[in-house]
Amino acid sequence: QQQVKQSPQSLIVQKGGISIINCAYENTAFDYFPWYQQFPGKGPALLIAIRPDVSEKKEGRFTISFNKSAKQFSLHIMDSQPGDSATYFCAGQRDSGAGSYQLTFGKGTKLSVIP
Amino acid sequence: EAGVVQSPRYKIIEKKQPVAFWCNPISGHNTLYWYLQNLGQGPELLIRYENEEAVDDSQLPKDRFSAERLKGVDSTLKIQPAELGDSAVYLCASSQGEVTDTQYFGPGTRLTVL
Repeated sequence: QQQVKQSPQSLIVQKGGISIINCAYENTAFDYFPWYQQFPGKGPALLIAIRPDVSEKKEGRFTISFNKSAKQFSLHIMDSQPGDSATYFCAGQRDSGAGSYQLTFGKGTKLSVIP
Repeated sequence: EAGVVQSPRYKIIEKKQPVAFWCNPISGHNTLYWYLQNLGQGPELLIRYENEEAVDDSQLPKDRFSAERLKGVDSTLKIQPAELGDSAVYLCASSQGEVTDTQYFGPGTRLTVL
């Protein structure tokens, strides 16, 4: 069962445009929703994250919009730059007990920003 | 501060051979994770450690995979014997274990089984 569905699988955006990646989740036990950015040959790195008690979080050019009732959230990258070209993963995190937390990732979106 | 260190970065072996991956987490991080990442997919949890205790290994194929975390610091993931389908990137991550805590990932080990 895929608990986090991510779309699109790939995305091509012109420099300066807006990149939008969408995710939907099924597990209502998720209480934290991070987005990770992964460059080729590197491990994923946290980009931005949101708790379900807020509807939007903005950090620089990156914004998460969160709709708890629809169980959907999205990442918006404003003024997209070629350096943003990477694979983006949304995830849901839940408390798995014993003081640690389990991440369930979407399948990823490969973003290409063309000059 | 050094990040999560993994070695080797790349490994090519023939099927039925054993292979081992090593991970050194960020200093002070009690929680350590091993993930499997297939091409074009998100990471999938294999096993999670709290200090030296494996607290979630439900996704670890125990017939061929094993892991250990001696002294609650470094960890080793082993596959014996390797199968063609094990070709993937094996990621290690660590965290301090708080609700909004970040999991910091290493660069991974890319395994190719021929």
